[in-house]
This record gives sequence, structure tokens and C-alpha cells, in this order.
Amino acid sequence: ELKVEQNPLFLSMQEEKNYTIYCNYSTTSDRLYWYRQDPGKSLESLFVLLSNGAVKQEGRLMASLDTKARLSTLHITAAVHDLSATYFCAVDPRLQGKLIFGTGTLLAVQP
Amino acid sequence: NAGVMQNPRHLVRRRGQEARLRCSPMKGHSHVYWYRQLPEEGLKFMVYLQKENIIDESGMPKERFSAEFPKEGPSILRIQQVVRGDSAAYFCASSPGGPDSPLHFGNGTRLTVT
Repeated sequence: ELKVEQNPLFLSMQEEKNYTIYCNYSTTSDRLYWYRQDPGKSLESLFVLLSNGAVKQEGRLMASLDTKARLSTLHITAAVHDLSATYFCAVDPRLQGKLIFGTGTLLAVQP
Repeated sequence: NAGVMQNPRHLVRRRGQEARLRCSPMKGHSHVYWYRQLPEEGLKFMVYLQKENIIDESGMPKERFSAEFPKEGPSILRIQQVVRGDSAAYFCASSPGGPDSPLHFGNGTRLTVT
């Protein structure tokens, strides 16, 4: 069975500190996506990582992909309150848009 | 350019009733996907459609669930004889197609079965 696992599942962050979320997946995939979901809302696309070694940055978030290790990381620099949300990674092994989502990581930034 | 439009946003049904969820993809998008999110869980793929065709329905329950994407009009996810376990958020996503096209998600329909 294809699995996508994230850890931690919950992360309580202090403002201005740095944190990392890990996403491991059990099948070959050259595509990895990161999404953000606010409570009761839809998913917002953050990053699309298309190849081994890909690194993308947007504001305080940086995502990287290691396809050989089947690992992606989402790094948060100097956390701020408006980053509080649930973050999902997802893979698309067959490149058909049939995404397999991770379990999600709930981030809560404490003042 | 309007995003993916889903309606209704909230739907309450009694056990045994039918639920119809609608999704209008983004303009120019011919690929539609339905996902279900149970409370406290990630999204699970249900079905992938292109105009008038079901491409992959491997995530659909074998009974009571059906989906269509007609030549004209929105995609419809239909759940017959709903049960409490069907309560979830149902998200529709669309893409123009192609392996590098990210999915664009709608705001979801939150189905509650009482």
C-alpha cells in the first residue's frame, strides 16, 4: 500500500524560531506537492517540486525534495502567527493528478 | 478567472436521503478530481474524470457513490442512501491536464448526515 507519512503530526512553534516538517513516502514519485489548509477552508498550493534536489522558497517557507531518500522537508524560518495552519504533502506517482496525501501537520504558532 | 466552484458549501441530509454535490472546474480545465476528507484526516482520492469519461474511480466506494462530468454543466458527485459515515468534506479539484499541472481545489462541500 502506498503511504505518505508526515512528522510531526502537531507542532507548537514559538515566534521567531525555526522548524522543519518531514514528509516520507513509500513509492517512487518525481512529483511532490505541499499544500496549506486553514480550518474549514480549501487547500492552497504552496510548492510543486518536480525533480530530485529541487528547492523552492516563498517567504518564510522553503521546501526541498530528495527522491532517492523519498523525503521532502518543509522548513519554516522565524515562525510568525499567520503560518498557523495544517500543512499537507502529497505525491502523484502516476502523474495523473491522483494525489496521495500525507497525514497532515498541524502548526500552531504561540505568541 | 474564477476558481473551482463547488456548491453547496454545506449540506445536511438525513440517513437514507440522497446527496448531490456540484463542481464547476476552472475555465479551460477539462480534468476533474473528487477527494474526500474525513475529520482529522488527509484527503483521499475518489475519482478522476474528463468530459463524459470516468478515467479512474479506484477510490470510490463500490456502492451508493457515483460521479459524472457531462459535456455541458458541472461535475456531479452523487451519494445515494447516505449514512453517518458519509459525513465529511468533499473537495473537487481541476487541472488543464499534463503531468506538471498542479491541481486547483475548490472550497469543498461539507456534508453532514444526521
